[in-house]
Amino acid sequence: QVTLRESGPALVKPTQSLTLTCTFSGFSLTGSGTCVSWVRQPPGKALEWLALIDWADDKYYSRSLKTRLTISRDTAKNQVVLTMTNMEAVDTATYYCARTKLGYKELFDDWGQGTLVTVSS
Amino acid sequence: EIVMTQSPATLSVSPGERATLSCRASQDVRSNLAWYQQKPGQAPRLLMYDVSIRATDIPARFSGSGSGTEFTLTISSLQSEDFAVYFCQQYNNWPPSTFGQGTKVEVK
Repeated sequence: QVTLRESGPALVKPTQSLTLTCTFSGFSLTGSGTCVSWVRQPPGKALEWLALIDWADDKYYSRSLKTRLTISRDTAKNQVVLTMTNMEAVDTATYYCARTKLGYKELFDDWGQGTLVTVSS
Repeated sequence: EIVMTQSPATLSVSPGERATLSCRASQDVRSNLAWYQQKPGQAPRLLMYDVSIRATDIPARFSGSGSGTEFTLTISSLQSEDFAVYFCQQYNNWPPSTFGQGTKVEVK
């Protein structure tokens, strides 16, 4: 059974950095074709893809947020970590990690429950 | 970046009726179009991909059509569990992929 769980701070101050951890089970991120993405959703708004890391440790980022994002993995711990710098109020959102559908980097098959991050002083 | 526009924003439908949701892309995305369903407090769930392929365990009452810039998700006979928000996603020339703003399907 595939599970993913996001963890991190619920509240971040403006200009601070955010670090979120996705802990997963039921699959290995070193398996060929396996990828994990981060996706966020501001309250009542659309989904926004942020970043992806794949089985070969290749990384891909949203063009608009590329300078603020870093994605990494710890295969021994079955974790993927996302860091976002210089947080602003507009970054308030529920952040999800998701495993992509095998063969598709773009589609999200298994999701965590999400973690709400509020940016406020 | 490709902009996805969904209509209507809210669709009021009675159980058992057909629901038709639209999604328009600002440029040609060929057949690289997916749909997700999201219920309150839950993560999205992949429904359809490559326009018309149902994801695992998705019932046959869901169907997708279209190509290029105009796409449709049809739910042939709405069940109680289908009342939710639906998002379309284009993934042509990834990265990035982009999502529409969503259509809420509510009980009439």
